[in-house]
Amino acid sequence: DQQVKQNSPSLSVQEGRISILNCDYTNSMFDYFLWYKKYPAEGPTFLISISSIKDKNEDGRFTVFLNKSAKHLSLHIVPSQPGDSAVYFCAASDWGNKLVFGAGTILRVKS
Amino acid sequence: EAGVTQSPTHLIKTRGQQATLRCSPISGHTSVYWYQQALGLGLQFLLWYDEGEERNRGNFPPRFSGRQFPNYSSELNVNALELEDSALYLCASIYRDRDPNEQFFGPGTRLTVL
Repeated sequence: DQQVKQNSPSLSVQEGRISILNCDYTNSMFDYFLWYKKYPAEGPTFLISISSIKDKNEDGRFTVFLNKSAKHLSLHIVPSQPGDSAVYFCAASDWGNKLVFGAGTILRVKS
Repeated sequence: EAGVTQSPTHLIKTRGQQATLRCSPISGHTSVYWYQQALGLGLQFLLWYDEGEERNRGNFPPRFSGRQFPNYSSELNVNALELEDSALYLCASIYRDRDPNEQFFGPGTRLTVL
């Protein structure tokens, strides 16, 4: 049973446009959410996070939105750059020091 | 600051053999996590070690085991290898007194079971 789902395996976006990556979760005990980015042959790197007391967190070109009632979060990248092309993982935590990851979404930014 | 390192990069074994994977956390980090990423799946939590103790384990059979050494490095052992154990195994570390959710990952070990 996947508690964190990323339903889009891949996304293709033109350089300069907005990339929107989506993530749904089922466990209402999750109260902290993270996005990781992964390049080939490298481990995932932390990108941005949000706690359940917020509905938005922004860091430069990256913004994460959380809709608790819908159990949905999204990552917006504006403007998208070719270097953003990577696999993006959504992860959730119930402060139990264990992260539950989604399957990932491959983002391709075309120049 | 050196990142999390893992060895070997690639490992090829046959069914029934044992595999040993190694992880060195970032200096000062005391907790180590192990994840399995099988093809098409997200990272599946395997094990969490902190201060030399196993603190939590994921939904994996007992033939997946490990340990953490006094220098906080860690070893993952997989016994009686099965074909479906073929995956990328990732290690992550955190500094316990900081945000426990922001884990720093190594590049992974690609295990192939033939």
